Amino acid sequence: LAKTTQPISMDSYEGQEVNITCSHNNIATNDYITWYQQFPSQGPRFIIQGYKTKVTNEVASLFIPADRKSSTLSLPRVSLSDTAVYYCLVGSNNDMRFGAGTRLTVKP
Amino acid sequence: SQTIHQWPATLVQPVGSPLSLECTVEGTSNPNLYWYRQAAGRGLQLLFYSVGIGQISSEVPQNLSASRPQDRQFILSSKKLLLSDSGFYLCAWATGQGPLEQYFGPGTRLTVT
Repeated sequence: LAKTTQPISMDSYEGQEVNITCSHNNIATNDYITWYQQFPSQGPRFIIQGYKTKVTNEVASLFIPADRKSSTLSLPRVSLSDTAVYYCLVGSNNDMRFGAGTRLTVKP
Repeated sequence: SQTIHQWPATLVQPVGSPLSLECTVEGTSNPNLYWYRQAAGRGLQLLFYSVGIGQISSEVPQNLSASRPQDRQFILSSKKLLLSDSGFYLCAWATGQGPLEQYFGPGTRLTVT
């Protein structure tokens, strides 16, 4: 299983773009990269998933360099409601493990 | 659309008592099902997953067990709870095709006293 490393916490202000980077040096060929968001006392919510290059949806963008040893979740113009824990997962099928995540705090 | 239910929402149980948490999924067939536990302020720990009826894979040896008696029903059990079993228990489902996007239920907050 590919182990992931994320910053423990990050602070930002409303309206700013936030980039959270995840390192996964031993990612396997068939592994995908998936990001989840979790609010207190709720289950995680799927945000975005990718394999290589760039993926964008209505919520976020995911940037994956050619070597796939890291990935960056980009949240455009965050608001107070984006304060949450963000998890980076790497794996395939049922081999996916949640790490400690990054606690993002958005300030007014 | 698909929905996932968990009950109860909260539970307070004494040490040594049994446990049964239930999870059901609607609107999909043959989902992969998962049980996670989250201790306060920590990440999620995968406990069990199932790819079909009667098929259970255990990730962490402990005093918990899981069963899948029906396609869309997943049950987490214990014969005797420990204090360390306290936590937030989450059930999730995913389709079995390709890379998995997991969808989580509302969770059960278990406090063992």
